[in-house]
Amino acid sequence: DAKTTQPNSMESNEEEPVHLPCNHSTISGTDYIHWYRQLPSQGPEYVIHGLTSNVNNRMASLAIAEDRKSSTLILHRATLRDAAVYYCILRATGRRALTFGSGTRLQVQP
Amino acid sequence: GAVVSQHPSRVICKSGTSVKIECRSLDFQATTMFWYRQFPKQSLMLMATSNEGSKATYEQGVEKDKFLINHASLTLSTLTVTSAHPEDSSFYICSALAGGMRETQYFGPGTRLLVL
Repeated sequence: DAKTTQPNSMESNEEEPVHLPCNHSTISGTDYIHWYRQLPSQGPEYVIHGLTSNVNNRMASLAIAEDRKSSTLILHRATLRDAAVYYCILRATGRRALTFGSGTRLQVQP
Repeated sequence: GAVVSQHPSRVICKSGTSVKIECRSLDFQATTMFWYRQFPKQSLMLMATSNEGSKATYEQGVEKDKFLINHASLTLSTLTVTSAHPEDSSFYICSALAGGMRETQYFGPGTRLLVL
């Protein structure tokens, strides 16, 4: 599986936007970019995924670079409940399981 | 979104006993489910892929005779930790693959196992 690189941790203030970066320079043309988050002592929660175009849903936006070698998860207004570990994962065609890296631990300050 | 449940949420058992963990997709059918394990301060590690009506596929280093997986219906997969030892203490998380165009994985809330 192609590897992703994320910062270990980030901090944000409540009600401010958060941009979580992910580098995936070895991404192949058919890899989907998935984002999940995991709150303490819970299973991961699906956030968003995309292939080439930017994507929006009620939780977040996903901005994908034109060369697809990086992407950014955007939380438009962080809340305390958004404090979690965020995982950027590439899902290869034909491989249906997800390979989790170490993710970014997001702290949200009131 | 799709809902996946796990039971029990936490279990404490004595060394040498077996423990069964259930994973259910509540509002969708899942031909494929996955079992992950997560040790403290570490990321999730895939243990096995469970396919309805067929044998599970185990990742390298995971003992299939120790971690028995049964996927007898489209909404239920079970993981049995046989002859559990303290080193099996971990957070076990299942996920189910929702089909169609999205093929998104939805995760259960996890089961915390403590073996004394």
